[in-house]
Amino acid sequence: DAGITQSPRYKITETGRQVTLMCHQTWSHSYMFWYRQDLGHGLRLIYYSAAADITDKGEVPDGYVVSRSKTENFPLTLESATRSQTSVYFCASSGPGQPQHFGDGTRLSIL
Amino acid sequence: DAKTTQPNSMESNEEEPVHLPCNHSTISGTDYIHWYRQLPSQGPEYVIHGLTSNVNNRMASLAIAEDRKSSTLILHRATLRDAAVYYCIGRGGTSYGKLTFGQGTILTVHP
Repeated sequence: DAGITQSPRYKITETGRQVTLMCHQTWSHSYMFWYRQDLGHGLRLIYYSAAADITDKGEVPDGYVVSRSKTENFPLTLESATRSQTSVYFCASSGPGQPQHFGDGTRLSIL
Repeated sequence: DAKTTQPNSMESNEEEPVHLPCNHSTISGTDYIHWYRQLPSQGPEYVIHGLTSNVNNRMASLAIAEDRKSSTLILHRATLRDAAVYYCIGRGGTSYGKLTFGQGTILTVHP
């Protein structure tokens, strides 16, 4: 089905481990985004991408790495997870000038 | 992006109209007003957006003040499914689609 999917939906890991959150969209949207949502902070932009092989930092990029080798995929990697990165992560995509479509989120807990 | 101010919470009864206000006194002439909402345990979803004139779609209406310093999202007949956090966002056309979410308004709908 067309849409945007995130995986996994839930993830528990330990501090210091590497974690990769996946995001896949089937619309061929050029723009993709990663947000995190924490109580008291709302959604904050981590990284975004305007096209394949083009990425840029958002508001809170430290500790995260992204890549976009294919238009439809935009994985987010925590290279060495910390407890402060426990959060709900949302991926979104959009065409130029179009509304963003969000995934259902990944709940990440870092122990 | 323009700074926006919304009430923390509002309440409504089912099948009654709801008017959700948003102040954006620093908005520039090219900033669109976007509204998204987030239902419990889901990612945000697009509701409506506009620049100067009032806008309508199947979900809601957007009334923008003549001086563009405020706007109102109108849900014509609230349902229980409309209970969500509503975000008003002022976004510039050259921001690659990036959205800056504030705290939003928590809408409670009573049966």
